[in-house]
Amino acid sequence: AQSVAQPEDQVNVAEGNPLTVKCTYSVSGNPYLFWYVQYPNRGLQFLLKYITGDNLVKGSYGFEAEFNKSQTSFHLKKPSALVSDSALYFCAVRDREAAGNKLTFGGGTRVLVKP
Amino acid sequence: EAGVTQFPSHSVIEKGQTVTLRCDPISGHDNLYWYRRVMGKEIKFLLHFVKESKQDESGMPNNRFLAERTGGTYSTLKVQPAELEDSGVYFCASSLRTSGVPGNEQFFGPGTRLTVL
Repeated sequence: AQSVAQPEDQVNVAEGNPLTVKCTYSVSGNPYLFWYVQYPNRGLQFLLKYITGDNLVKGSYGFEAEFNKSQTSFHLKKPSALVSDSALYFCAVRDREAAGNKLTFGGGTRVLVKP
Repeated sequence: EAGVTQFPSHSVIEKGQTVTLRCDPISGHDNLYWYRRVMGKEIKFLLHFVKESKQDESGMPNNRFLAERTGGTYSTLKVQPAELEDSGVYFCASSLRTSGVPGNEQFFGPGTRLTVL
């Protein structure tokens, strides 16, 4: 079985400050990890993914995430947040050894960036 | 390139009625997925098509839900009869064929918000 935990329902940050959205996962095998963002009245947009290789992954809009196998974490980060980053963020995992492609999502973290 | 599209964007029906949701994947994507988010909780997997075949339908909640993908193009998800607990946002996603290419990301549509009264 696979699961994802996003421990914070909401993260508030001032514009220009660093932004971190936490994610931990559980899979039987090795993970593929993904971050998606949902802006108001829009679908989920892919931000970045970890497949293999370098633990630091860079994605769209200046976001990055670090895969930490020992802590089973994949936290999303942005060095300097913008008001336009305010949205709902979802972490997802897929067990690369499991059959099928289904993603397991966390409950989502709402990010509010204040000017 | 057009993204994943879903129709309708919103649907309000009464308990016991039937609703059919439609998803058009990105052209050339063999994989098509349905997910739903109920009551602001986690987004949960419903099923996965590879072309017209159901690869995994382990997430379908019960036999009131029927998904089809005729000809391996668009897909429909029918709920009959709808119950109150079916309210939520239904997302469709598509991805390229995964054979030999690990970890393909899934591209999501805007979702259909279903309200059952």
